[in-house]
Amino acid sequence: GAGVSQSPRYKVAKRGQDVALRCDPISGHVSLFWYQQALGQGPEFLTYFQNEAQLDKSGLPSDRFFAERPEGSVSTLKIQRTQQEDSAVYLCASTLGTFISRGGQETQYFGPGTRLLVL
Amino acid sequence: AQKITQTQPGMFVQEKEAVTLDCTYDTSDPSYGLFWYKQPSSGEMIFLIYQGSYDQQNATEGRYSLNFQKARKSANLVISASQLGDSAMYFCAMRPADDYKLSFGAGTTVTVRA
Repeated sequence: GAGVSQSPRYKVAKRGQDVALRCDPISGHVSLFWYQQALGQGPEFLTYFQNEAQLDKSGLPSDRFFAERPEGSVSTLKIQRTQQEDSAVYLCASTLGTFISRGGQETQYFGPGTRLLVL
Repeated sequence: AQKITQTQPGMFVQEKEAVTLDCTYDTSDPSYGLFWYKQPSSGEMIFLIYQGSYDQQNATEGRYSLNFQKARKSANLVISASQLGDSAMYFCAMRPADDYKLSFGAGTTVTVRA
């Protein structure tokens, strides 16, 4: 497909379980982002990859969250020992380039998200 | 840090009428981009329109237009000729020109009535 895809679309986990969320960015897109969206809120930045390098993970809530993009395309967000407060929609986005020059535009294209519910 | 404020949690609009969604932002960056996204119930964030802080003209994309007032730090979205398919959550977002992180507002839910 032409857009960003994510799987699974829905995930129910028992508290304490590990989960893995997958993101397939648009082919050729260099930059990849993960966001967390709590119910009724806007997305919050989690982490940023430029190709396979994770340049920023400042938004990851705890060390239970881990993301990787080993070959610079598909990315996986892993949450270990899930807690109820991890329940949210996890959105992946990609862009063709990297930083934007002054006044330039680099639109982030989002996938449909994974809705995670931790019971 | 950037702060995006969307003061309207929900709005109703009659089909074929126009609706304006408010967005104000707070930043110290001299150069930045403003974005609007639509999020239907399916969950996907759909890019609608972009405005650069140094753009002289207000951005337009089909039925979407952005009323950009830089001095007031305001970037309101206008949807003209509303359609039933416009019912969704709408998010305003901002990104400094030398950064990659998008900061989002809390969103506005739009419901279009037939």
